[in-house]
Amino acid sequence: EVQLVESGGGLVQPGGSLRLSCAASGFTFSGYWMHWVRQLPGKGLVWVSRINSDESTTTYADSVKGRFTISRDNTKNTLYLQMNNLRAEDTAVYYCARPYSSSSYVAFDVWGQGTVVTVSS
Amino acid sequence: EIVMTQSPATLSVSPGERATLSCRASQSVNTNLAWYQQKPGQAPRLLIYGASIRATGIPARFSGSGSGTEFTLTISSLQSEDFAIYYCQQYNNWWTFGQGTKVEIK
Repeated sequence: EVQLVESGGGLVQPGGSLRLSCAASGFTFSGYWMHWVRQLPGKGLVWVSRINSDESTTTYADSVKGRFTISRDNTKNTLYLQMNNLRAEDTAVYYCARPYSSSSYVAFDVWGQGTVVTVSS
Repeated sequence: EIVMTQSPATLSVSPGERATLSCRASQSVNTNLAWYQQKPGQAPRLLIYGASIRATGIPARFSGSGSGTEFTLTISSLQSEDFAIYYCQQYNNWWTFGQGTKVEIK
């Protein structure tokens, strides 16, 4: 079964850090770009970041650029999101997502269950 | 950034009826448009990509149409499990989502 499982969310104070993980199984992880998408409380979905299969290309939304770092370990089939200098507006459910093909600009057909990040003092 | 606007915000429909959801892009996205369904506490589920191609396992009652800036998702005969929030997403230039249409029981 194709599956993504996120972990690492929690409550953190403003200015703090968290590292999210996304464990992939059931498909050839190293063959896909991978993405992070977040959902603000009671609101819609916002794309956060992407990384290509060999980590040579990473891209970020302007709202997280310079604070978040996406990475992956293909030997562990795991995607990461290091989040530093967190702000209240980063409070959201964070999903990892897989594109439906190995191309870059496509829709996402596999999503994790999400992990909740709450930034509050 | 391409802004996606969905209408209506809420759609009240009786089971068995047809539902028509709209999505407009602020500039052309060709047919690089997807639709997702999301239920409370769950991740989004891909329904349609390429504006009109059903994803694997999606029932035929879901159909998508449109190109450029105007898109439609039609659910031909609503089933109880279809009451949810639906999002459109463009992937022509980065990825942006609409704000969602909630389909509720009338």
